[in-house]
Amino acid sequence: RKEVEQDPGPFNVPEGATVAFNCTYSNSASQSFFWYRQDCRKEPKLLMSVYSSGNEDGRFTAQLNRASQYISLLIRDSKLSDSATYLCVVNKAWGSYIPTFGRGTSLIVHP
Amino acid sequence: GAVVSQHPSRVICKSGTSVKIECRSLDFQATTMFWYRQFPKQSLMLMATSNEGSKATYEQGVEKDKFLINHASLTLSTLTVTSAHPEDSSFYICSAALLAGNADTQYFGPGTRLTVL
Repeated sequence: RKEVEQDPGPFNVPEGATVAFNCTYSNSASQSFFWYRQDCRKEPKLLMSVYSSGNEDGRFTAQLNRASQYISLLIRDSKLSDSATYLCVVNKAWGSYIPTFGRGTSLIVHP
Repeated sequence: GAVVSQHPSRVICKSGTSVKIECRSLDFQATTMFWYRQFPKQSLMLMATSNEGSKATYEQGVEKDKFLINHASLTLSTLTVTSAHPEDSSFYICSAALLAGNADTQYFGPGTRLTVL
């Protein structure tokens, strides 16, 4: 089993749709979790950190389920500009930073 | 968020030359920096982890003598692609880790697109 797994997609959704991505991780000792967004031919940009209590930033909601070892990202009211690859990142160490990236989930929002 | 710069943003060179890429954390000190490579339509591939003042840790399959990494200060890491060949053409991205207890986060530079002719 890969350390961090994501469904590569692509997810094709119309504008205004709600879409959710999951990311599973294998190391139960993982400490911190993030979602990054990467546009074509650009560097990844931090979208949001994921906390145990879940967190929300506008149309984006991230959740962590430690028992089942997955994190999720929910995008409501999709915009064309949301089209990108969404990368799940898991930090597996406490006290140091050892990130593991998922391969990314591609989202295409169409008119 | 924190700012990481990378220079140059694009380089085209002849086969056999060496190319040096700089990565700087502009507004924070980064004890750890990472170097990634990404080929078109593929995922990020970690090449090495660089800690200030010590030797870089290379991922399996990455030649340390070909990809020289120097992390001389808390704000600067360099990657030198020695004797570059066309197969080294790729998008090289650095990132710097901002360590803040349980809020450790990494921020990426804008990347360097290397084309070796």
